[in-house]
Parts: sequence; C-alpha cells; structure tokens
Amino acid sequence: EAQVTQNPRYLITVTGKKLTVTCSQNMNHEYMSWYRQDPGLGLRQIYYSMNVEVTDKGDVPEGYKVSRKEKRNFPLILESPSPNQTSLYFCASSPQLAGGSGQYFGPGTRLTVT
Amino acid sequence: ILNVEQSPQSLHVQEGDSTNFTCSFPSSNFYALHWYRWETAKSPEALFVMTLNGDEKKKGRISATLNTKEGYSYLYIKGSQPEDSATYLCALYGNKLVFGAGTILRVKS
Repeated sequence: EAQVTQNPRYLITVTGKKLTVTCSQNMNHEYMSWYRQDPGLGLRQIYYSMNVEVTDKGDVPEGYKVSRKEKRNFPLILESPSPNQTSLYFCASSPQLAGGSGQYFGPGTRLTVT
Repeated sequence: ILNVEQSPQSLHVQEGDSTNFTCSFPSSNFYALHWYRWETAKSPEALFVMTLNGDEKKKGRISATLNTKEGYSYLYIKGSQPEDSATYLCALYGNKLVFGAGTILRVKS
C-alpha cells in the first residue's frame, strides 16, 4: 500500500530533550516536506527536500533540523525542544509539485513539550 | 513570502445546497495551484493540482477552476452532503509551496 508513515504518532517530552520524528514513504517520491499545524495558523512549512541530499528552509525552520540521506526517509530533528514547538506535525511527499496529483500526507505526530 | 488568501473563513450550508469558495493570490508567476480537503482528525488529502489558466478539474460533485490572469481559483461543491464537512486548503507552488489558511465547511443534514 502506498503510504507515508510517521513515528511516533504521539509524544510528550520535556524542554531540552532531543527528539527525532521519523517520516518514510514507499512511493519513490522525490519531494518531501514537514509542516506544523497550530490553531488559527493553518499549515506552515518547516523544511522541504527536492531530492536526496537537497534540503531547504520553509517558513518556520527555527529550532528544527532535517536530513535526506536516502529517498524514502526525511526525519525531523528537534535538538532542544521548547514549549512553543508543541504542535501537530505532518510529513508529506510528492513525485512533483508542478503537476500530478498533489502531496500525500502522513497521519500526523502530536508533540507536547512541557 | 507569497500571500495566499482563502475566503470565506468558514461556511455553514444545508445538505443539498451547492457552494463555492475562493483562493486568491497576487501573482501569475507560479507553477501550480493545489487544493486539499482536510477532515477533522485526519490528514490533508489532495483534490486537484492545476497549472494552466482556464484549467477546470472535477472529481465527483467537487470541481475547481483556475484564473491565473486575475489571480484566483474557485472550488465548487454541488449538492453538499454532511460528509463534505472539512477544511478546504489551497496552496500555491512558486519557488515554495505556500498554503492558505483554509475554508471550514460545515454541512447540516
């Protein structure tokens, strides 16, 4: 089954404790992206990757890191989480953005930082 | 940052009503316009990707049009059903993919 998976789905952590949210897709998509969703603010892009070893900042990259060492995986790293990073996070992938069928989204990761 | 605006912010309609909402953007210099449906407690799901002025796409009772010259896209839902209740997002792909804030649709039975 074609899908984007994220782990964990739910996470409660404390300020400053490094964490990684994994994202994996099995559709051989070149484009992958991370978003956060906060009430009243819609979807905001954190980082995106057009292909392996190519990553770029989105609109809200501060406090996050990503890597794209292989096509299928695009982990999101929070080196020192803070309470303002409490949010719902989505990973997405797409074969291309300029046409095709749009992005495929993962199920979301709800992160709480205390 | 490209500004993508959606209106109205929210909409309540009766079952069977047809409805439409708007995605506006300031520039015709972009590659594609995306529409997504986002149901509560689920992930966004792609509806359409449009690239050319005058593009019109349809999926069941939902259709969308694109006017790049005047900078807008319309999403239409014919004969709304309760299962159409969701947030509808548009996103513009220029050098980045930028999302609008969405239109929340509630369909009462």
